[in-house]
Amino acid sequence: EPEVTQTPSHQVTQMGQEVILRCVPISNHLYFYWYRQILGQKVEFLVSFYNNEISEKSEIFDDQFSVERPDGSNFTLKIRSTKLEDSAMYFCASSEGNYQGYEQYFGPGTRLTVT
Amino acid sequence: DQQVKQNSPSLSVQEGRISILNCDYTNSMFDYFLWYKKYPAEGPTFLISISSIKDKNEDGRFTVFLNKSAKHLSLHIVPSQPGDSAVYFCAASTGTASKLTFGTGTRLQVTL
Repeated sequence: EPEVTQTPSHQVTQMGQEVILRCVPISNHLYFYWYRQILGQKVEFLVSFYNNEISEKSEIFDDQFSVERPDGSNFTLKIRSTKLEDSAMYFCASSEGNYQGYEQYFGPGTRLTVT
Repeated sequence: DQQVKQNSPSLSVQEGRISILNCDYTNSMFDYFLWYKKYPAEGPTFLISISSIKDKNEDGRFTVFLNKSAKHLSLHIVPSQPGDSAVYFCAASTGTASKLTFGTGTRLQVTL
């Protein structure tokens, strides 16, 4: 069964450093998303991406964040200068984005620890 | 921003009995509703969904009920199994490709 994959599973970085989180969405999906979950809190939307551009973003997704689909399979989230409060589980998701396939399928997540 | 609420943080059910997880929402623009199951340090796993044109959807042991007038949905698991023990999140969106807004989750424990 196709699945969303994410690398790395755990990333430790120092405050102020740049990190890139990587995702491979399900191959026939057209819509890609990033969410995060801070420990003890609910899953929060960051950004959605379609046709090589951002379709929607949350207030969390400020200038420190960017997304890219550098090739036909990868989807990345970059945090330019990490802060302590960026420590969270980051989940990538993908969907077909239509009535027959609106479900979003999530990857296993990357645990980001900022020290 | 409490557009999707799960008021029960935890639920304990005996194996073989029915588990009922509840979710309320406030945004009348939500059209699609989904339930996810999550284990610690793993991503949410899609379970079952329903669009606003329906009031019930079944998939094996899982049934989701939607009451649009009450802005309420519920997930029924029958019969409950120990492997169902996890955190269950309901989520909602305003369109087929729109962002998901998640509830806070309900931890289900199925006991022997």
